[in-house]
This record gives sequence, C-alpha cells and structure tokens, in this order.
Amino acid sequence: EPEVTQTPSHQVTQMGQEVILRCVPISNHLYFYWYRQILGQKVEFLVSFYNNEISEKSEIFDDQFSVERPDGSNFTLKIRSTKLEDSAMYFCASSSGQGEGYSNQPQHFGDGTRLSIL
Amino acid sequence: AQSVTQLDSQVPVFEEAPVELRCNYSSSVSVYLFWYVQYPNQGLQLLLKYLSGSTLVKGINGFEAEFNKSQTSFHLRKPSVHISDTAEYFCAVIHPSMNYGGATNKLIFGTGTLLAVQP
Repeated sequence: EPEVTQTPSHQVTQMGQEVILRCVPISNHLYFYWYRQILGQKVEFLVSFYNNEISEKSEIFDDQFSVERPDGSNFTLKIRSTKLEDSAMYFCASSSGQGEGYSNQPQHFGDGTRLSIL
Repeated sequence: AQSVTQLDSQVPVFEEAPVELRCNYSSSVSVYLFWYVQYPNQGLQLLLKYLSGSTLVKGINGFEAEFNKSQTSFHLRKPSVHISDTAEYFCAVIHPSMNYGGATNKLIFGTGTLLAVQP
C-alpha cells in the first residue's frame, strides 16, 4: 500500500538555525498538509497546499514558516530562525482530492519528524 | 470555533474486554468525523470515518463508532480488545468548506486517549 514518507525521522538543530523537513506524499495525491504535535499536546494543523499554493494556514504558520513543492514528488516545510518552542513532532499528510467531496477524502500521514531545538 | 474533546487521557482495560473511547465535538454545522490510531513511533493511521448516512460506522481492526448528532458524540468501541490494540487514539473533525475552487480540509484533533491493554 502506498504511504507517505518523511525524512529525517529525527532532526536536532541549534536555536536560530534554519531547518527543512522533507516529505514524499502518495504519488497521485493532490492535497498536502503539515501538522505538528508538541510533546504532551494535541496534533495541530499548520498548513494545507493544493495546486502549488497554500490553500489554508493556521495562525501558527507565520512568516517563520514556508512550504514548497520543489519537484513532482517532494513537499517541504522550512522553518527559519528556529526557537525552542518549535520543538515538536511534525507530520506530513496527503489526500487524494479526486472525485466528489474534497473534504471527505482521508488524509494519509507519515511517521513524522521529531524536531529538537537546542 | 470548532473543538474536539476526549475526556479520557488514558483507558486501561484487560485483554478480551470491551472498550469505549469517548469523543465529543462542538459545531453548529455539519462535520465529518474521524478516528485515527497512533502506534508507538509511527504516524497516524485512519481507523474509520463518518461522512453521512448510517450512524454506525465500521472500521479496521474490529473497531466501530456511532455518530450521535443530538449528543454531538462519536464514541469508538470494540467488543474485545487485544494486546496489539495498545496505542494512542485520536478523534478528529473536518468542517467541509470550499475555498478558492478547492476544499480546505483542516483536521481538528482531540488530545488523544491512550488505550492500555493489559494481559
């Protein structure tokens, strides 16, 4: 069964540095997402991406964050000037978007990247 | 604002016993409801979903959930659990909307319930 893959599984970065988290969504999917989960807290939506542009973003997703689909397979999340509070598990997800009912297409998640800011 | 409440942070249960994980949501409009499971060191896997129609939804691994609109609940049940069901379970909701010609499918999650199955 096709799956979403994320690399690296664990990223350790010094505060103030930039970090890029990488994701390969399922190949025929059209919608891509980033979520994060701070330790002990709920999974939070960051951003959704469709047709090479952001379709929705949360208030967490400020100018520090950006997303890109640099080629036909990768989907990246860039975090600039990282802060201690950016430490979290970051999940990438994708959904089909095919056919009727965009919102009811299930989102498939990767295993996450654990980001630790020192 | 929409929210999802999972009142139980942890549910201990013995193997082969039945279990119910509770989920309540707040929304004045129609929503789509989901249960996801997260095994240790893995991502979120979809267990089941409610979109419309029959209020009793069956999912993978013998789980089912019942949508109750009057009580705004979507409780997850399994008649007999196994050790392998030990995991974190997340209830989530989507408010379907159309924006810029495409849907925005933001999942709003509850805080999760750890199901701990004991032998």
